Amino acid sequence: KAGVTQTPRYLIKTRGQQVTLSCSPISGHRSVSWYQQTPGQGLQFLFEYFSETQRNKGNFPGRFSGRQFSNSRSEMNVSTLELGDSALYLCASSLASSGNTIYFGEGSWLTVV
Amino acid sequence: ELKVEQNPLFLSMQEGKNYTIYCNYSTTSDRLYWYRQDPGKSLESLFVLLSNGAVKQEGRLMASLDTKARLSTLHITAAVHDLSATYFCAVDIQSGNTPLVFGKGTRLSVIA
Repeated sequence: KAGVTQTPRYLIKTRGQQVTLSCSPISGHRSVSWYQQTPGQGLQFLFEYFSETQRNKGNFPGRFSGRQFSNSRSEMNVSTLELGDSALYLCASSLASSGNTIYFGEGSWLTVV
Repeated sequence: ELKVEQNPLFLSMQEGKNYTIYCNYSTTSDRLYWYRQDPGKSLESLFVLLSNGAVKQEGRLMASLDTKARLSTLHITAAVHDLSATYFCAVDIQSGNTPLVFGKGTRLSVIA
């Protein structure tokens, strides 16, 4: 079956702009979470959605937001981009119950110039 | 706040040798994950460990979990070049299928 699909894969934005990243989870997975990966900070949790509700949120400023649709697809948005937002943004999906494998997408590489 | 520490952070090992990567975490948890990441790629799930004493093996990799010691290990047996990658451990911080807290990763390089 298809894995976690993220679009776009690569993008370059200018400081002050905003960006929207999209994630389609594995079919049947209702939990979608987002992570930011940078060389300095490593992998950091952004937010998690389940059945269109944000269930958890990491320690990121309000410029970072997300949502989940009824088909479990998710988007995250970053407004007023800063140079430090340059990172690999990873989406992950899993089944609802605990202890299941969490599958990651290929990621969206964002460069802010 | 849950902290997850991996060591070593960098590991260069010869083909055919054995080695262990350690993952310590600071808060009680019985769910630990190991992932592999190749350069420029996403995270590939290796193991999910769900209870104290859990041991899982896949090829030359074996992972174990000791929840009392808050320690997981990833043992590499007879390393081959194809195992060169960065390995991450990650721990749940709440009940349910919840966000993971990752270690900084161990960059493994297997040389001939």
